[in-house]
Amino acid sequence: KAGVTQTPRYLIKTRGQQVTLSCSPISGHRSVSWYQQTPGQGLQFLFEYFSETQRNKGNFPGRFSGRQFSNSRSEMNVSTLELGDSALYLCASSLLIPGRGDEQFFGPGTRLTVL
Amino acid sequence: SQELEQSPQSLIVQEGKNLTINCTSSKTLYGLYWYKQKYGEGLIFLMMLQKGGEEKSHEKITAKLDEKKQQSSLHITASQPSHAGIYLCGAVTLRPTGNQFYFGTGTSLTVIP
Repeated sequence: KAGVTQTPRYLIKTRGQQVTLSCSPISGHRSVSWYQQTPGQGLQFLFEYFSETQRNKGNFPGRFSGRQFSNSRSEMNVSTLELGDSALYLCASSLLIPGRGDEQFFGPGTRLTVL
Repeated sequence: SQELEQSPQSLIVQEGKNLTINCTSSKTLYGLYWYKQKYGEGLIFLMMLQKGGEEKSHEKITAKLDEKKQQSSLHITASQPSHAGIYLCGAVTLRPTGNQFYFGTGTSLTVIP
């Protein structure tokens, strides 16, 4: 079974631009979560989608948004990029809802650098 | 403030030595996950503990959950260079709007051959 895939793996953008990251979960997994990882803040939860619905959202500004498609693939969008958005963005999928006995499988991440 | 605090923040050990990483929660734990991460890469699931007193082992790694203390420990026996990486504990917060997964601050482990 293929694991979680994320594209692109690396991205360089400039301030003010917007970016879209993609995540393909493991086949059959319906829950997709997004995380931001930085040296200063560690791993922080962005949002979680389950069956195309956003079920939970972390404490991030509205510039961060996401969506999930009917095939469970998910995209994350960041508009008006700021230098502080430079981070490793991780996507994770699980069969059901995380925390209810289902482990999360993580993708390799997308390294975003904002210049 | 962090809901999950890990200690120590970093650890350097000689190959063959045993070590323990702790994860303490400021909230009631409904399950505790341990992950390992190589720098700049995704997280690899190690194990999940759901009940107080539960203990699980995989190869040379053992994790225990003390529900009363809201704490979990990860113990590595006879460490090897392949154990090097960042260890993260994770937990879930039960909310009316849906569960939210959150992580500890991480422990960086270096194993010297």
